[in-house]
Amino acid sequence: QSALTQPPSASGSPGQSVTISCTGTSSDIGGYTHVSWYQQHPGKVPKLIIYGVNKRPSGVPDRFSGSKSGNTASLTVSGLQAEDEAEYYCTSYADNNNVLFGGGTKLTVL
Amino acid sequence: QVQLQESGPGLVKPSDTLSLTCVVSGYSIINGYHWGWIRQPPGKALEWIGSIFYTGDTYYNPSLTSRVSMSVDTSKNHFSLRVTSVSAADTAVYYCARGYQYFDSWGQGTLVTVSS
Repeated sequence: QSALTQPPSASGSPGQSVTISCTGTSSDIGGYTHVSWYQQHPGKVPKLIIYGVNKRPSGVPDRFSGSKSGNTASLTVSGLQAEDEAEYYCTSYADNNNVLFGGGTKLTVL
Repeated sequence: QVQLQESGPGLVKPSDTLSLTCVVSGYSIINGYHWGWIRQPPGKALEWIGSIFYTGDTYYNPSLTSRVSMSVDTSKNHFSLRVTSVSAADTAVYYCARGYQYFDSWGQGTLVTVSS
């Protein structure tokens, strides 16, 4: 199975909202509710920010939200802040006990 | 608070076997959760390698399953990864993490370079 498809880049100004898409198939995103998102700053360890499509771990600001429609999942960052500038990865559980990652999206805060 | 720490050689020769261990502290592996390995080649995306339950049940990335094996040692509260017949394409930062469908705690990562 191929990796999930994310746009390579996204951007927004401070205070704005930005949405990052993650497209898969009915064998992964479309077939399960196990979509998660990670934030990774340069040289740092990935951090879980969304799991189970739209759940936030303790300590993650509610500016981060997740959703899913059909074979596409989305991460929305509201009220953009400078520290949100990072790489974002989506993942999904997939058929045959597989786990797929997206190619990553670099979010730039203008 | 759970903490994970990877250990193992930073340099492996082509065609050799890569072996890494992840020591878990602050949480007993037998209390539940799957435990996984994820890697990230320099400048590239994350890739799931596999996950293991404390019972020894394993789940591997289909693209790597022929070269990957994982094990768990509950007495030492650690789990391990082996990748056989490595090549330059296996050069990456290797992370251990807690989870399977999602990963909520990560180790700091260890860079493994495959080179002669």
